[in-house]
Amino acid sequence: DTAVSQTPKYLVTQMGNDKSIKCEQNLGHDTMYWYKQDSKKFLKIMFSYNNKELIINETVPNRFSPKSPDKAHLNLHINSLELGDSAVYFCASSRQGGRAGVGVLNEQFFGPGTRLTVL
Amino acid sequence: RKEVEQDPGPFNVPEGATVAFNCTYSNSASQSFFWYRQDCRKEPKLLMSVYSSGNEDGRFTAQLNRASQYISLLIRDSKLSDSATYLCVVKDDTGGFKTIFGAGTRLFVKA
Repeated sequence: DTAVSQTPKYLVTQMGNDKSIKCEQNLGHDTMYWYKQDSKKFLKIMFSYNNKELIINETVPNRFSPKSPDKAHLNLHINSLELGDSAVYFCASSRQGGRAGVGVLNEQFFGPGTRLTVL
Repeated sequence: RKEVEQDPGPFNVPEGATVAFNCTYSNSASQSFFWYRQDCRKEPKLLMSVYSSGNEDGRFTAQLNRASQYISLLIRDSKLSDSATYLCVVKDDTGGFKTIFGAGTRLFVKA
């Protein structure tokens, strides 16, 4: 059973197009995240949702719009794709994103990633 | 200064060697610390949490020095399968939702 799944795994598209990436977790977690990992392998948080509410929006262009229809899903829609959007996008989830202290309660489980290439 | 800094490496070590990675963080209010491992073209996975008193998990030992804002990971008796990128991760305490990943340290273990 896949804990955090993302679709599609690969996405190749032209500049200017609009695309979506879907994420689902079956772990019963209440917090979900989107990360971007660029060509330099730097993993940077984009958004975080807790109980379907947006908690973190890290200076991401408003062409990126996350949507959380329920606690188990966090989708990412990208409008007017640009060359610089090419990267691997990871979805993640955790049981409790708040101040629960250290330890595995805050462990984030990542999906397999979506490799986006904008031509 | 970057929020979380790591030596990018790569570290090339023979099997059986002991190798240590360091990580510094800039926010003194940070509360939670972790080491994640990422294999090539795969997702990051938790290796171990880092506790204030230091902790060990088999061949892996993690240390935290809050005064110096420094985290370390020691790998003893390196295996070929330890080859990966090791990511230092820090969570801030402003609601705890923001997780900052270091750029990672690449390790190659050779036979």
